[in-house]
Amino acid sequence: GQNIDQPTEMTATEGAIVQINCTYQTSGFNGLFWYQQHAGEAPTFLSYNVLDGLEEKGRFSSFLSRSKGYSYLLLKELQMKDSASYLCAVRDRDYQLIWGAGTKLIIKP
Amino acid sequence: NAGVTQTPKFRILKIGQSMTLQCTQDMNHNYMYWYRQDPGMGLKLIYYSVGAGITDKGEVPNGYNVSRSTTEDFPLRLELAAPSQTSVYFCASSPTTEAYEQYFGPGTRLTVT
Repeated sequence: GQNIDQPTEMTATEGAIVQINCTYQTSGFNGLFWYQQHAGEAPTFLSYNVLDGLEEKGRFSSFLSRSKGYSYLLLKELQMKDSASYLCAVRDRDYQLIWGAGTKLIIKP
Repeated sequence: NAGVTQTPKFRILKIGQSMTLQCTQDMNHNYMYWYRQDPGMGLKLIYYSVGAGITDKGEVPNGYNVSRSTTEDFPLRLELAAPSQTSVYFCASSPTTEAYEQYFGPGTRLTVT
């Protein structure tokens, strides 16, 4: 079966750095996505990785290791508005997105 | 440019009733998707469409039907609603399946009692 694992909840302090991990086992691999979802809202796209390595976009970075079936999302200089759920999704060999359950990130002042 | 719009935002159905969730996008995207999101679970694909007149089942299609008569509209039909269909439903679109991202509508929160 296809499976994506990420921690259910994480807590961090405003101004700090947090790393959210994602491991996956899927039928094929055609890219990994990170989405942000604030409570009661729709997911919004954050990042995309298809090759191994680090992709940086402002305060957010995403890393991929295809051989390990592993990715992480790194959030720097945390702000209160970063309190949200972070969804990891993998596009499989049929180009369908398989979604993790999401990591709820709580930011404390 | 409204993006992806969904109606209604909220709905309460009785068991056995039917309804249609509306989804419209104004970005001329070929690909459209319907997902459901249950608490503590990942998004599950119900149906998708690669263009007008073409639809296909996703991971959890039972109890639902779709149609795609135009590029813009992709309604989701629930027949004989059941409590297991209580969920938040998201419609999304993308220009191609290889596109980096899917654009999501605001969601419809459905309760079946």
